Amino acid sequence: DGGITQSPKYLFRKEGQNVTLSCEQNLNHDAMYWYRQDPGQGLRLIYYSQIVNDFQKGDIAEGYSVSREKKESFPLTVTSAQKNPTAFYLCASISPGTGATQYFGPGTRLTVL
Amino acid sequence: GENVEQHPSTLSVQEGDSAVIKCTYSDSASNYFPWYKQELGKRPQLIIDIRSNVGEKKDQRIAVTLNKTAKHFSLHITETQPEDSAVYFCAASNTGSQGNLIFGKGTKLSVKP
Repeated sequence: DGGITQSPKYLFRKEGQNVTLSCEQNLNHDAMYWYRQDPGQGLRLIYYSQIVNDFQKGDIAEGYSVSREKKESFPLTVTSAQKNPTAFYLCASISPGTGATQYFGPGTRLTVL
Repeated sequence: GENVEQHPSTLSVQEGDSAVIKCTYSDSASNYFPWYKQELGKRPQLIIDIRSNVGEKKDQRIAVTLNKTAKHFSLHITETQPEDSAVYFCAASNTGSQGNLIFGKGTKLSVKP
């Protein structure tokens, strides 16, 4: 888990603003994921990327965007189109060769003011 | 697609008792079943996992059982301690098709001293 970092830990956003959450890993993992977690809820998949320069929508991609220009980095942008962005955002990475074991970053708590 | 149901949503036990959390899955092609523990405000941490070629796996006080025919798997924690208090998530995936992990909604375990 120490090989995946997310920043910032806390983020406050005004309505109508876009914000970008950082996720970096030094584990040489191919696949990276973004999840959203709301209180009392499970983990819902926003976007994922199996390889550099390629990414796929998850179950709740609307209002979010991502890029994967480098293997180590998978930033998530929360756009103004996301109607209810206040949540805990978790990034994860996985090396498919290990049988899908997924490791999570420490998370970013986003609050819209 | 895969669907994972987890029960119960909350579980309260006395210190020293056992705790059992159960999950069912819908996709018979799923072959990887991890369990994560998440303490308040922190990242989910993998505590144990099982693959479909194994029926049971144990690690000290934690064990997981898998019934492929019935498509359910369970987490067993023996001799519970207050530090076991957390939210536990089960998940399932089909590693052969590089399927994404599908998570249950979580069980909040409280261990009373």
